[in-house]
Parts: sequence; C-alpha cells; structure tokens
Amino acid sequence: GAGVSQSPSNKVTEKGKDVELRCDPISGHTALYWYRQSLGQGLEFLIYFQGNSAPDKSGLPSDRFSAERTGGSVSTLTIQRTQQEDSAVYLCASRDPGGTDTQYFGPGTRLTVL
Amino acid sequence: AQRVTQPEKLLSVFKGAPVELKCNYSYSGSPELFWYVQYSRQRLQLLLRHISRESIKGFTADLNKGETSFHLKKPFAQEEDSAMYYCALRRGRGSTLGRLYFGRGTQLTVWP
Repeated sequence: GAGVSQSPSNKVTEKGKDVELRCDPISGHTALYWYRQSLGQGLEFLIYFQGNSAPDKSGLPSDRFSAERTGGSVSTLTIQRTQQEDSAVYLCASRDPGGTDTQYFGPGTRLTVL
Repeated sequence: AQRVTQPEKLLSVFKGAPVELKCNYSYSGSPELFWYVQYSRQRLQLLLRHISRESIKGFTADLNKGETSFHLKKPFAQEEDSAMYYCALRRGRGSTLGRLYFGRGTQLTVWP
C-alpha cells in the first residue's frame, strides 16, 4: 500500500514568512510524529499525535511552531515568521498500531529560509 | 533523561572488511533499541530492532545492558551498505507515547 507522503518536497521561503507543511500518514495509523533533521543535529522530535490530540508537544522549539491533525489523518505543521535556523528537513512518521509497532517515515520536506 | 550517543560521525571501510557502528544509550528503565538507515535520496527506514534479534542485510545488533550499548555489526561490508545510520531508543515496550530518541547518526562509506 501507499506509504507516508509529505508535501511539498521542497520549500524555499523568505525570512519572516509563514509556511505550512503537510503529512498524509498510512491509512489506519492512529499515531503520527513530526521530527526535524538538521545538519549536525541529527533527528529531533517535535510533536506526537494520537488521533487528533497531541499529548506530547515537548519538542516544538518555540511558539512560532504549531501543528494540527484533522479526522485522525492528515497533519499540518505550521511555522510562523520563519527564521534561517528553521532551515531543515521536516520528517513525518506514522506508527503501525499492530504487532510490529514500527514507525514509518515519509520522504520529508526540505525547508530553506533565505 | 534518555540519551543516545553515536560517537562516530563518519566511518569508512573497504568492501569485505568488518564494520561496527557504535551506539551507547542512557535510560533508567527498560528501553527498546532500533537502528534506522537512510540511503542516498531515500527515506529513513527501519533496519532492525533489538527485540526481534534478527539479522537484516547481514547486520546484527545485540543489546548489552551492562555496557548500555547497541552496536551494529556486519562481518563483510558491501558498497551498497554506504548510508547514514541512526541509532534510536524508545522508552519501554509498548510505550503509549512511542516517540523515538535518535543519535546524531553515523555516515558509513564502503570503498570498493
């Protein structure tokens, strides 16, 4: 079946603009995660959704970052007033609620803030 | 607090040589440990997990609770093993949160 998809694949924006990143998880996966992959920083957790609720937002770096999930499916990560340090690859993952309990990752959105 | 450390940012070996990618962790409970791999221009994917005790693509990893390590090993490296490897920890089996704590990754290059 289809894997996790993310859009856009690349986004270039100017400092100070707002951006929205989208994640479509695998159908039936109730858990969804956002991570950020930066050069030299590895993978950092941002936020976790179970259904439409976000019980763990502890990784969001500032109040400029927010995320929502609707219908237990699509999630949107919004970054307001982007800064150059926001430049990174943003990864989404959804988790198989079955026996393997594995997280499956999307291809990522590469965000460049000029 | 939990932490995953991968001490080598870069690792190079020749084809056919053994390879070991190091991973150490700190966590007071019983963790689940994983290795994820990202080949060039591909998405991050699970390579193996300690509870499965399996060999994938010739790679194995054993959880050593005494040394708090989960090193990834392969006896004979192949060029197609060149990739970025991430060690990751999840707090406890069946943790309802399930977020992963990642190391910073090791870029493995296997020369012909």
